[in-house]
Amino acid sequence: DIQMTQSPSTLSASVGDRVTITCRASQSISDSLAWYQQKPGKAPKFLIYKASSLESGVPSRFSGSGSGTEFTLTISSLQPDDFATYYCQQYNTYPRTFGQGTKVEIK
Amino acid sequence: QVQLVESGGGVVQSGRSLRLSCAASGFTFSSYGIHWVRQAPGKGLEWVAVISYDGKTKYYVDSVKGRFTFSRDNSKNTVYLQMNSLETEDTAVYYCAKNQESASRGGVGGLDVWGQGTTVTVSS
Repeated sequence: DIQMTQSPSTLSASVGDRVTITCRASQSISDSLAWYQQKPGKAPKFLIYKASSLESGVPSRFSGSGSGTEFTLTISSLQPDDFATYYCQQYNTYPRTFGQGTKVEIK
Repeated sequence: QVQLVESGGGVVQSGRSLRLSCAASGFTFSSYGIHWVRQAPGKGLEWVAVISYDGKTKYYVDSVKGRFTFSRDNSKNTVYLQMNSLETEDTAVYYCAKNQESASRGGVGGLDVWGQGTTVTVSS
């Protein structure tokens, strides 16, 4: 199975900050990577696919990059609605594994 | 609008069975693979299983192989997850989610639409 490792596990930031979350795959997954946002008690929300393509309706302050084994999710200017937990997921092979999550907290 | 609605969760004793359902609307159901993803209390997301658009291909995470069976009825726009020999470790919120790409476009991509989740609690 492909292991997905996110860092950091928790991130404290302020409104307006630029935030970057890293996701590493245990083997190459090309650009078969998605990012999700989840708020407490809610289902995950689809943000990015193919490592860097923004899902329709997702604010442009979100961006993704990377290929192979290393990927990043960047929020260019953190907004109050962005405080949440973020997950990466590879869809290169089954089982489609998730990272352990990165919680973005208010500083 | 595109929607997935799960049902069938509940409290069950270890070793017993439960069947979850996920009803879809707002899209051409028979063209898309559907996944189950679960989240144990206070934990992260765990991918559980997928069924292809036509029901012929299924994949499962190792921890549920031989115990869970994924099926679909395209005439009812519904998928089912039959969970047998439940273990306390299966306690979680179970979400169904739609594959981003239709079968005609390769059937890959992320999970673009999620249900609200249904809670399964397995007691010892």
